[in-house]
Amino acid sequence: AAGVIQSPRHLIKEKRETATLKCYPIPRHDTVYWYQQGPGQDPQFLISFYEKMQSDKGSIPDRFSAQQFSDYHSELNMSSLELGDSALYFCASRRSSWELFFGEGSRLTVL
Amino acid sequence: GNSVTQMEGPVTLSEEAFLTINCTYTATGYPSLFWYVQYPGEGLQLLLKATKADDKGSNKGFEATYRKETTSFHLEKGSVQVSDSAVYFCALTSGYGQNFVFGPGTRLSVLP
Repeated sequence: AAGVIQSPRHLIKEKRETATLKCYPIPRHDTVYWYQQGPGQDPQFLISFYEKMQSDKGSIPDRFSAQQFSDYHSELNMSSLELGDSALYFCASRRSSWELFFGEGSRLTVL
Repeated sequence: GNSVTQMEGPVTLSEEAFLTINCTYTATGYPSLFWYVQYPGEGLQLLLKATKADDKGSNKGFEATYRKETTSFHLEKGSVQVSDSAVYFCALTSGYGQNFVFGPGTRLSVLP
């Protein structure tokens, strides 16, 4: 069965650079969530989209932005990267059920 | 707001030991409750869920019962295996379209 696809799986950037992470939800899933998981931390909710509109916003820094496109894939754009942005970024999707399906994550390392 | 509290880890057990990981929550209304598991280097996978009071979720020998009176959803397994070594997250959502709130996670290590 198709799962949530995230790319890239690994990304290394310098401070003050920009990074873009992509998420392809499970087909026909209409809601996408982004989470940030620091080392040894629980996933922190960043932002979510329902039917291509932002539906909820969590602890997403102003330097970050995200959108969901007409094909339901989503992109998380991170600018002016800081060392503290190094984390695993998860995308998750759902449709008409309580279950949240997670991708395998994109690991961002900021040097 | 909604929140989830879990017992602190790490938890280290011998193979075939009994496992309990405590989880309590604070939420408005009638949340749905979940246990997610994260194996090393992987994303989060749903382990089990319960959507109303007194429901019991079960999967792969793990069980958890939604106790509204004690606002708890403790995870149990009668006999753990080395392959159960992972981080376990308790989570809740207040409703469809609402975001998930995760507990801090409990790392389980099972020794042969």
